[in-house]
Amino acid sequence: DQQVKQNSPSLSVQEGRISILNCDYTNSMFDYFLWYKKYPAEGPTFLISISSIKDKNEDGRFTVFLNKSAKHLSLHIVPSQPGDSAVYFCAASDFDNAGNMLTFGGGTRLMVKP
Amino acid sequence: DTEVTQTPKHLVMGMTNKKSLKCEQHMGHRAMYWYKQKAKKPPELMFVYSYEKLSINESVPSRFSPECPNSSLLNLHLHALQPEDSALYLCASSQGREALRNEQFFGPGTRLTVL
Repeated sequence: DQQVKQNSPSLSVQEGRISILNCDYTNSMFDYFLWYKKYPAEGPTFLISISSIKDKNEDGRFTVFLNKSAKHLSLHIVPSQPGDSAVYFCAASDFDNAGNMLTFGGGTRLMVKP
Repeated sequence: DTEVTQTPKHLVMGMTNKKSLKCEQHMGHRAMYWYKQKAKKPPELMFVYSYEKLSINESVPSRFSPECPNSSLLNLHLHALQPEDSALYLCASSQGREALRNEQFFGPGTRLTVL
């Protein structure tokens, strides 16, 4: 049973527009959420995170929104750039019960067209 | 230094070989991880070391043997692997349980091919 799901395997966006990547989770004990970006043949790069006590966290062009009641989070990238083209993974942790374990979603491939 | 390094970058081995993957971080992190990633799949957790002690082993076959010689180093010893073990092996580190934030920082990975 997948506890973290990214239902869109791919997303195509025009340069300069907003990219919105979505993630849903089922475990209500998750209390910390992260987004990673991954280029082929490289390790994931940490992008941004959010604690369950917040509903929004912003860092430059990247904003993560958390809707706890819907068990949904999203990553907004504005404006999108061709260099943002990569696979994006959301991940969640239940720090109290599972310590340092991250549960990853299946990933969304973002393609930003010039 | 905010980097996790892994060696080698690529490794090709036969099913009877013994080899080791190495990982190093100098961020003072007290938790280190091994993940396996197959193409078009998310990283799959294998082992977690917390304060140099193995805290999680996700039912990984014994042909994979982790070792944490000190707080900065993590090894993965490989023996009698199968072709289906071919994958990208990722090392990561994080601050550990006492930290409020749990970002894991990943190395570039070792691309392993088992013939």
